[in-house]
Amino acid sequence: NAGVMQNPRHLVRRRGQEARLRCSPMKGHSHVYWYRQLPEEGLKFMVYLQKENIIDESGMPKERFSAEFPKEGPSILRIQQVVRGDSAAYFCASSPGQGRVEQYFGPGTRLTVT
Amino acid sequence: AQRVTQPEKLLSVFKGAPVELKCNYSYSGSPELFWYVQYSRQRLQLLLRHISRESIKGFTADLNKGETSFHLKKPFAQEEDSAMYYCALSVYNQGGKLIFGQGTELSVKP
Repeated sequence: NAGVMQNPRHLVRRRGQEARLRCSPMKGHSHVYWYRQLPEEGLKFMVYLQKENIIDESGMPKERFSAEFPKEGPSILRIQQVVRGDSAAYFCASSPGQGRVEQYFGPGTRLTVT
Repeated sequence: AQRVTQPEKLLSVFKGAPVELKCNYSYSGSPELFWYVQYSRQRLQLLLRHISRESIKGFTADLNKGETSFHLKKPFAQEEDSAMYYCALSVYNQGGKLIFGQGTELSVKP
């Protein structure tokens, strides 16, 4: 089992461009969580998805950010019109669900907005 | 409000010394707590969860509901324990999202 995969590992975008971050959960896991880590801070929850459904997006900024987890393919975190303040490490985690709450993390995507 | 506090940003000890990384939480329900570790250039890994009450790599953590704490301890630190340690609270009735502390960097000197 390769574990949670994220790509790209590093992403550089200019202000105003779009950033797309991908996450493939562990095999057999149907729950995906996205977290953001700003410099010098801990990880902050953004969104929780199950296949084709957003369950909790209480940590997502109201504008420019969206997430999806389609029936086929990876989960995508999309940031439109990026700004310097979006520069951070974005981590994806997956969980098997079914009453098990432990989460397994990907290596993260480091987004730099220039 | 749900909150996890790790008061020490950096903890530096010598090899063989005891280690205690502090974690306090604020949660109105029954907490489920975890310790995650991130070694240099590696991903976050689950180290311990309180309900399993096990010892991993010599580390233990006991939930103290009276003091709302979940401190991580190891009697004799090793250089390979140097890493970032994060305490996290699972909010079960909100899908199991994790609330993280700020993290403590443990540095074990030879």
